[in-house]
Amino acid sequence: GENVEQHPSTLSVQEGDSAVIKCTYSDSASNYFPWYKQELGKRPQLIIDIRSNVGEKKDQRIAVTLNKTAKHFSLHITETQPEDSAVYFCAASIGYGGSQGNLIFGKGTKLSVKP
Amino acid sequence: GAVVSQHPSWVICKSGTSVKIECRSLDFQATTMFWYRQFPKQSLMLMATSNEGSKATYEQGVEKDKFLINHASLTLSTLTVTSAHPEDSSFYICSARPQDYNEQFFGPGTRLTVL
Repeated sequence: GENVEQHPSTLSVQEGDSAVIKCTYSDSASNYFPWYKQELGKRPQLIIDIRSNVGEKKDQRIAVTLNKTAKHFSLHITETQPEDSAVYFCAASIGYGGSQGNLIFGKGTKLSVKP
Repeated sequence: GAVVSQHPSWVICKSGTSVKIECRSLDFQATTMFWYRQFPKQSLMLMATSNEGSKATYEQGVEKDKFLINHASLTLSTLTVTSAHPEDSSFYICSARPQDYNEQFFGPGTRLTVL
């Protein structure tokens, strides 16, 4: 089955700097890669996602890149702010609907942005 | 749109009792709902996938007789933790996925404490 590895497990940056979190996946059939932000005691919130027919997607300060050949994808946060501090999870899934589409999550990255 | 509610938000129970957690999609129909368990500072672990009107599919290592899942309608799934023990104490989060979508929308979670 699919296996998702996420690095680093913790990341500390100064406010205004960039943060990069990387994930690798094992199943080349995976075609959907979302990123979730989870604040302490709260639900995971989807912040950006990318599908396998796209190499890069950007939404204001957040971007995600996908390298299908190498089977890895990355989250980039620019101009970090203290409110970006949270745990970030990457995930991968295959297909649409039915028994496919189950999200396999990475172990998470705790991002701390120091003012 | 795409709001998922979960009830209760927290529950404390005595060892040996059963606890039911409800997950509702408020403004869309969810053909598939997922139940996750999250230990402190860890990732989301998929427990089971439920499709409306059919039996849930449990992940390896999850006891189906202990964690009863019912998905009786397109907007409601329930997880019942039977004969709860202190080791069942955890944060339980559900998610719901509309038909033909990969994206999952998460509930706010239920913190279960078994004394």
